[in-house]
Parts: sequence; C-alpha cells; structure tokens
Amino acid sequence: QKEVEQDPGPLSVPEGAIVSLNCTYSNSAFQYFMWYRQYSRKGPELLMYTYSSGNKEDGRFTAQVDKSSKYISLFIRDSQPSDSATYLCAMIITGNQFYFGTGTSLTVIP
Amino acid sequence: GAVVSQHPSWVICKSGTSVKIECRSLDFQATTMFWYRQFPKQSLMLMATSNEGSKATYEQGVEKDKFLINHASLTLSTLTVTSAHPEDSSFYICSGRRPGANVLTFGAGSRLTVL
Repeated sequence: QKEVEQDPGPLSVPEGAIVSLNCTYSNSAFQYFMWYRQYSRKGPELLMYTYSSGNKEDGRFTAQVDKSSKYISLFIRDSQPSDSATYLCAMIITGNQFYFGTGTSLTVIP
Repeated sequence: GAVVSQHPSWVICKSGTSVKIECRSLDFQATTMFWYRQFPKQSLMLMATSNEGSKATYEQGVEKDKFLINHASLTLSTLTVTSAHPEDSSFYICSGRRPGANVLTFGAGSRLTVL
C-alpha cells in the first residue's frame, strides 16, 4: 500500500465550479500537510500548508485535514481556467522524508 | 517568501556528454536540498537528498556515479548527469528546505533532452 494515495484524474470542470481534490494516507504519524500546484513544464509551487485537523482558507482555496480519517482535501471555489494544472498533495512526519501523491490533473473549461 | 532558482530550464546535449544543473536558494539557506525526476504525467520521483557539506543520500536504484550531486554551500546544489544517454532525458526538479520548515520550495525545473 502506498503511503499517499491520490486519484490522478483527469478532472475536467466548467469555469466557476467548485473543485474538490483529495488524498488519503496510511500513516497516522503524518503531521504536516501541503498542497502544491504544478503547471505544465514547471516546478511545483506551494499553495497551502496545514498542520492540524480542520480547515484553512486562503482566498478561493480551502485545505481540509481529517486526521481521524487520514484524509485531506483541497477545495477550489469559483474555479478559473488559470487553475488548470496538476495538484499534488504532500505530507511529512518529521525529518527529511516528504511523501507526495501522484497528482491530480485539473482542467477548467471556459 | 522562499525562492529557489534552477537553471538551465532547458538543455539539449549529445549522448555521452555531461550536463550540469544548478539549484540556488535565493533568499534562504537551504541546509537540505532534494533532487527529483519527473516523467511526463507522472509524479515526482526522489533521486537524492543532499545536505550542505556532506555526501548526498541516493534513493534505491539511482546511480550515484551517473548523477553526481554536490551541495558545497548553503545556497547552491548541483546535479551533474554524466555520460548522458537518451534514457536520461527527463524533467529534473530541485527543491530546498529552510531549517525548521516543514515545506519544500521547488525550482522551476530543468528539461534535459539527450540526443
């Protein structure tokens, strides 16, 4: 079983839709959770970083962590064509070992 | 915010030659840098972890004599692909970790094409 599971998609939504991206994980020791956005042929950029269970909001983006279910989500409200990218979840216990999901490819259609 | 600069962004080389990719943390000291490889439509594959002033730790299956990593300073790490072959063609991405931080900052990536 992989440490982090993420549906690769692809996911295609109309502009303005609410997008839900999810990852599950197996190790309950994970403490820090991240979402990265990666445009084609570019490096990933950090979108959201959370530590505890609950929600964290930043503009149109909301990151949600449910440690009891080992489940994290990223919600994008009022999705825009510029949100079309691959979204990677990542997590870490401590130390230098970061675990990444496989990424979900999102296309927002104008 | 933390910024990592990576160059070249794109390089083409002949088979058998060596290519060096540089990764610089511009506004923070990256005690640890990570090198990833990414194939089209696939996730990041960790190649090695490098700590400033010490030898890199390579992941299983990654040839350390082929992918030379040097982390000579707190702001610079380099990856040299030696005797490159077409199968080494890929997207290479570096990332740096600020001491005490639990996030990674990535460079823009380097696309290597070996003819």
